[in-house]
Amino acid sequence: QKEVEQNSGPLSVPEGAIASLNCTYSDRGSQSFFWYRQYSGKSPELIMFIYSNGDKEDGRFTAQLNKASQYVSLLIRDSQPSDSATYLCAVIRGSARQLTFGSGTQLTVLP
Amino acid sequence: DTGVSQNPRHKITKRGQNVTFRCDPISEHNRLYWYRQTLGQGPEFLTYFQNEAQLEKSRLLSDRFSAERPKGSFSTLEIQRTEQGDSAMYLCASSTEAGGAYEQYFGPGTRLTVT
Repeated sequence: QKEVEQNSGPLSVPEGAIASLNCTYSDRGSQSFFWYRQYSGKSPELIMFIYSNGDKEDGRFTAQLNKASQYVSLLIRDSQPSDSATYLCAVIRGSARQLTFGSGTQLTVLP
Repeated sequence: DTGVSQNPRHKITKRGQNVTFRCDPISEHNRLYWYRQTLGQGPEFLTYFQNEAQLEKSRLLSDRFSAERPKGSFSTLEIQRTEQGDSAMYLCASSTEAGGAYEQYFGPGTRLTVT
């Protein structure tokens, strides 16, 4: 079992729709959870982080965390073609606070 | 610009040569991380510095890899006797835990191609 799992996609949604990205993790001791966006050929860009159970909203983005189910999700409302990218889920594990990443979900927003 | 910077952005080298990459973190960040990313995968942790001390290394970091952060500011990652399997994007990230924040911010990366 991978430590962080994501559906690789590709996921396609029409412009203006809600995109839903999911992630599960195996280590119950994981404390902090992150979503990064990565455009092709570029480095990961932090878009959301969540540390407590529940929802956290920032503009068009909502992160949801359920520690009991070991599940993290990212909702993107009013999706735009510029949201087309790979979305990486990451958790912090270990004393070094290093990030452990999933393989990413490729999202395409169709105009 | 107060973001993380990395140099060079691209490096092409022949197998067996040594290469060195540099990372300049966000100025107030005391934690610095190196990751490696190959196509279709998420970044994988290589090593971590808190100030000038290298506190953790991944098993991915073979003896051919060495990293330094001599004054607790910039860091270098050296790969000796490069192999084709070393071809990847090498990413640097920095963070501070001031106020309990653990967010890491990445630089643009150095893309290494070993021919």
